[in-house]
Amino acid sequence: QQQVKQSPQSLIVQKGGISIINCAYENTAFDYFPWYQQFPGKGPALLIAIRPDVSEKKEGRFTISFNKSAKQFSLHIMDSQPGDSATYFCAAPWGQGGKLIFGQGTELSVKP
Amino acid sequence: DTAVSQTPKYLVTQMGNDKSIKCEQNLGHDTMYWYKQDSKKFLKIMFSYNNKELIINETVPNRFSPKSPDKAHLNLHINSLELGDSAVYFCASSHLGRRGYEQYFGPGTRLTVT
Repeated sequence: QQQVKQSPQSLIVQKGGISIINCAYENTAFDYFPWYQQFPGKGPALLIAIRPDVSEKKEGRFTISFNKSAKQFSLHIMDSQPGDSATYFCAAPWGQGGKLIFGQGTELSVKP
Repeated sequence: DTAVSQTPKYLVTQMGNDKSIKCEQNLGHDTMYWYKQDSKKFLKIMFSYNNKELIINETVPNRFSPKSPDKAHLNLHINSLELGDSAVYFCASSHLGRRGYEQYFGPGTRLTVT
């Protein structure tokens, strides 16, 4: 079974700062590792994903760093904005059928 | 326009009752999922169907029974509801294969069992 550990559980960042969320997984997988963003009262939405053979992927202010040997990956949000305040989930693929194992979630609050 | 829709959005019921949640997607995906999100926001997969065939069946009480009448619809029926079933249930859909990680979630159904 795949285990995913996400930290921190909650994060408070000032507007314009960098938000960093970390995830560690246990078992090697060969599909994409995604990050999802969830606003209160809404369903999670795919934010960004990275292939396991790539060390970094950047989309706008969001960057995933992937360390395959350490089995860790992280999300960096540059120039964090109050609109980024949400819960962020990392996920690792496992087995067949599109199965994703989610981390515990990080509640990000960006203060103006 | 809604990609993945669920009904109802809220469900309040008493212990022992039976209830159903319905999900529909208009994205043309071939795979649909049910997730449970508990009070601590932990998100866990319950079931997955691909073209009406059950492909993921996690360790879930058999009081929960999914049904997929076609690849655009996935329902969840829960018998003999218990207090611990209170959670938000999300339906999601995706294409199977390399893009299976790209899942589109519905707005959720908040189930409260009293």
